[in-house]
Amino acid sequence: EVQLLESGGGLVQPGGSLRLSCAASGFTFNIYAMTWVRQAPGRGLEWVSGIRESGDVTYYADSVKGRFSISRDNSKNTLYLQMNSLRAGDTAIYYCAKDRTSSWYEAMDVWGQGTTVTVSS
Amino acid sequence: DIQMTQSPSTLSASVGDRVTITCRASQSMSSWLAWYQKKPEKAPKLLIYKASSLESGVPSRFSGSGSGTEFTLTISSLQPDDFATYYCQQYNSYPNTFGQGTKLEIK
Repeated sequence: EVQLLESGGGLVQPGGSLRLSCAASGFTFNIYAMTWVRQAPGRGLEWVSGIRESGDVTYYADSVKGRFSISRDNSKNTLYLQMNSLRAGDTAIYYCAKDRTSSWYEAMDVWGQGTTVTVSS
Repeated sequence: DIQMTQSPSTLSASVGDRVTITCRASQSMSSWLAWYQKKPEKAPKLLIYKASSLESGVPSRFSGSGSGTEFTLTISSLQPDDFATYYCQQYNSYPNTFGQGTKLEIK
């Protein structure tokens, strides 16, 4: 069964850091681009960051550029999101998702259950 | 960045109704557009990819169309399980972006 399992969320003070992980199973992880998407309380879905298959190409939303860093360890089938200089506006459920195929342009067909990040003093 | 605007923001409908949700892009794009269904406490679910291709396992009452800057999601006959929030997403260019969502409510 194809599965994504996020972890690492929690309560952190403004200005703090957190690293999210997304463990993948049931598919060949290293041939799919991966993405982080978040949903703040009462808000819509927000695309956060994406990473290509080999990990050498990354993309970020303007709202997190310079503060967040996406990476992957294909030997461990794991995706990461390092979040620094956290703000109250980063409070959200964070989802990881895989591309539907290994094509460059793709939608996201499998999603994790999400991990909650709360930034508050 | 490509901005995506959905309309309406909220839609009230009854079981059996045909409903259409529109998504407009801020610039012309290819057909790299997806539709997702989101329910509270659940992960998003892919419904449509490449503007009009139905994801495996998704009921055929869901359909997508459009090109350029205007795209639509149609549900031909609403079922009780369809009441949720729907999002379009462009993956034509990075950063990929979502529309603000359309909440489909029971009338």
